[in-house]
Amino acid sequence: KNQVEQSPQSLIILEGKNCTLQCNYTVSPFSNLRWYKQDTGRGPVSLTIMTFSENTKSNGRYTATLDADTKQSSLHITASQLSDSASYICVVSPNSNSGYALNFGKGTSLLVTP
Amino acid sequence: DVKVTQSSRYLVKRTGEKVFLECVQDMDHENMFWYRQDPGLGLRLIYFSYDVKMKEKGDIPEGYSVSREKKERFSLILESASTNQTSMYLCASSLGRGGTSAKNIQYFGAGTRLSVL
Repeated sequence: KNQVEQSPQSLIILEGKNCTLQCNYTVSPFSNLRWYKQDTGRGPVSLTIMTFSENTKSNGRYTATLDADTKQSSLHITASQLSDSASYICVVSPNSNSGYALNFGKGTSLLVTP
Repeated sequence: DVKVTQSSRYLVKRTGEKVFLECVQDMDHENMFWYRQDPGLGLRLIYFSYDVKMKEKGDIPEGYSVSREKKERFSLILESASTNQTSMYLCASSLGRGGTSAKNIQYFGAGTRLSVL
């Protein structure tokens, strides 16, 4: 079973517009949640990491929010640029000493058009 | 910056061949990982290693083996490649593991797209 669900599966927006990507998870207990950006044909790059006690974390035009009570996270992209076109992956780490035990979402594919 | 380098971006092999995928990291990270990524399935962990000569199975180890003779290098081996191993392979490394420390962020290589014919 997939413990990390992302929505929408894909999204097309106009350059300059804002958008929000969603991540719902059932992983429990929970250690931290990360958002990665993966350009086509490249490896994922970390955007943000939040522990269960953090509500928001920003990285430039990217802002991630976390509601540990409802087990939901969102990634908000402000004033989108063409270079934001990529897949965005939500990754949840359970609270254990096994740092390898990551739960990956299947990603949201974002296309920013001129 | 952390650099994780995978030896090949694209690789084409024939069924039954023995395939080596190499990964090197330059930040003295303890932990290294091999994933495969397929459309609609996301990233799945094949093997990982916490230390030199140490390896642990991930979620889908069948048909694969690994080698970590040096701290900076982690190799994925397909003993007898099959068409269902056609995929994007991603190597990652991290400094720490467990808990809430940001040092357990995994840094990924650019990936190797393997086609088995």
